[in-house]
Amino acid sequence: QKEVEQDPGPLSVPEGAIVSLNCTYSNSAFQYFMWYRQYSRKGPELLMYTYSSGNKEDGRFTAQVDKSSKYISLFIRDSQPSDSATYLCAMSFSNTGNQFYFGTGTSLTVIP
Amino acid sequence: EAGVTQFPSHSVIEKGQTVTLRCDPISGHDNLYWYRRVMGKEIKFLLHFVKESKQDESGMPNNRFLAERTGGTYSTLKVQPAELEDSGVYFCASSPWLKGDTEAFFGQGTRLTVV
Repeated sequence: QKEVEQDPGPLSVPEGAIVSLNCTYSNSAFQYFMWYRQYSRKGPELLMYTYSSGNKEDGRFTAQVDKSSKYISLFIRDSQPSDSATYLCAMSFSNTGNQFYFGTGTSLTVIP
Repeated sequence: EAGVTQFPSHSVIEKGQTVTLRCDPISGHDNLYWYRRVMGKEIKFLLHFVKESKQDESGMPNNRFLAERTGGTYSTLKVQPAELEDSGVYFCASSPWLKGDTEAFFGQGTRLTVV
């Protein structure tokens, strides 16, 4: 069983739609949850991270963590064509240099 | 401020040859990580340096892979001899000390193709 499961998509939405991206995980010891965005032929770019359970908002992006369900989400409001990319969830056990465990990524296309 | 830089961006080598990948982290970042993405799979951890010391190399696939970090600055990852299954995209990431993974910045990756 993979540590982190993520639906690879692809996901295609019209401009202005609300996008929901999700990951599930199996190890309850994960404490830090990250979302990365990766454009084609580029490296992953950190969008936001959340510690433990709860919500975190940054502009049009909201990250949610439900540790009881081992489920994390990223919501994108008012999606833009520039949001078209692959979104990767990642998680780690602590903030002291432990390795990341990544999902496979979800490919998102926002259609103008 | 310059980001994490990786060289080369793309390398095509024959099976059995040697390849060396280089990573220049963000200046001042003590943590340096190597990750790899094999086609169709998730990005997977290879190893972690803190300054010049290997903190965790549990993800290194076998002894054909050798990573070094000279003087706690840039890092190299050598594959010798390369095998077909080593093909993939190799990412380097760096972060400040005590920020661990949550503020890790990734390079653009080196796409390695072994033929």
